[in-house]
Amino acid sequence: GNSVTQMEGPVTLSEEAFLTINCTYTATGYPSLFWYVQYPGEGLQLLLKATKADDKGSNKGFEATYRKETTSFHLEKGSVQVSDSAVYFCALSGGGSGNTGKLIFGQGTTLQVKP
Amino acid sequence: GAGVSQSPSNKVTEKGKDVELRCDPISGHTALYWYRQRLGQGLEFLIYFQGNSAPDKSGLPSDRFSAERTGESVSTLTIQRTQQEDSAVYLCASSRNSGANVLTFGAGSRLTVL
Repeated sequence: GNSVTQMEGPVTLSEEAFLTINCTYTATGYPSLFWYVQYPGEGLQLLLKATKADDKGSNKGFEATYRKETTSFHLEKGSVQVSDSAVYFCALSGGGSGNTGKLIFGQGTTLQVKP
Repeated sequence: GAGVSQSPSNKVTEKGKDVELRCDPISGHTALYWYRQRLGQGLEFLIYFQGNSAPDKSGLPSDRFSAERTGESVSTLTIQRTQQEDSAVYLCASSRNSGANVLTFGAGSRLTVL
């Protein structure tokens, strides 16, 4: 079945450092790919998405490119801030699971940014 | 409402008791999802409702778990004879329709089974 694998955390960075959180997926067909973020004490929020190969999703300085050839959707940010400290979840929908909108999540990666 | 509302936000119960968790989706959202998030783990899909269609119950872990939804509004997730491994945050999400693919999540209900 479809699945999502993320790099394990926690990831600890200094402010202004470059961030990469790896995400790879297994799916039949052509899924949509997402990054959700969970800030401390808050619910999950959509960060960005991409719906087809080579699409780049971007928001709040974060970017991720849908790479079908490597089945990846790595999250990047050029300069992290303390306020980016959160848990980041990679997810997919569709792609053999039907078009129900049901999301399959990775296990989450905790990011801690120190001043 | 403005967002997805879940209640209670926290529930502590004794092993063997039944619990009921409630979700109020965003008005007009026809699709509703329940997920479970165990400590330090990812989100596990539990169940999905779309309009008047039969729900997708493929993620429910056992027959102790059930969920209902009244039309396109409130949903309740019921766990009978709770066990310690049921301790988790239960998240509800809704979307405008099943193909919209963007889910809005509630803040979750944290369940602790002693």
